[in-house]
Amino acid sequence: SYELTQPPSVSVSPGQTAKITCSGDALPKKFAFWYQQKSGQAPVLVIYEDNKRPSGIPERFSGSTSGTMATLTISGAQVEDEGDYYCYSTDRGGNVYVFGSGTKVTVL
Amino acid sequence: QVQLQESGPGLVRPSETLSLTCTVSGGSINSYSWSWIRQPPGKGMEWIGYIYNSGSTNYNPSLKSRVTISLDTSKDQVSLKLSSVTAADTAVYYCARVTSKWYDFHYYYYMDVWGKGTTVTVSS
Repeated sequence: SYELTQPPSVSVSPGQTAKITCSGDALPKKFAFWYQQKSGQAPVLVIYEDNKRPSGIPERFSGSTSGTMATLTISGAQVEDEGDYYCYSTDRGGNVYVFGSGTKVTVL
Repeated sequence: QVQLQESGPGLVRPSETLSLTCTVSGGSINSYSWSWIRQPPGKGMEWIGYIYNSGSTNYNPSLKSRVTISLDTSKDQVSLKLSSVTAADTAVYYCARVTSKWYDFHYYYYMDVWGKGTTVTVSS
């Protein structure tokens, strides 16, 4: 079965840049999406189609891809950005969708 | 602004069928596709499946033999049924609106609006 691999945790100081990676064999050909989940809340879409930001999402959130890796960057991380972040994409066949394993972001 | 509200029993007995409903308000259920996702306690998220606005479905292969997602357009509801449940099916279950994009000869689907989720525990 297809898998997307993320680091379990990332720590960053307030105002610094956090980078969260997502590795998957199909990513060179398939879009990556990113969701933020704060404690006890439903996920929120923060990046779609590799690098697009939904309305209402701060500009400090950006996405990029290179080869088999997608990256979510939080430039100037804020305390309110703490939470779990999940990448999401589809396999080579385009029919099976998967979430990454999730990355816990700590801002302190 | 579309809003989604999941509802259903919070406790299901092992081997029985889990049944949940997602009520959609503030938007047309016919204009979009819909999805169910679940998250076991302390774990990551798992895509359960989609029901496309055509009425066709696409399920996670690991759950396909036990899952049914359906639409009731007269009630603006999306339903999930999961049969033969075990303790491993204990999770928060979310419904979500799905947006699609045609690109590179392929449709992409992703969730853009989520409900708050409902907790289901499987236990005797």
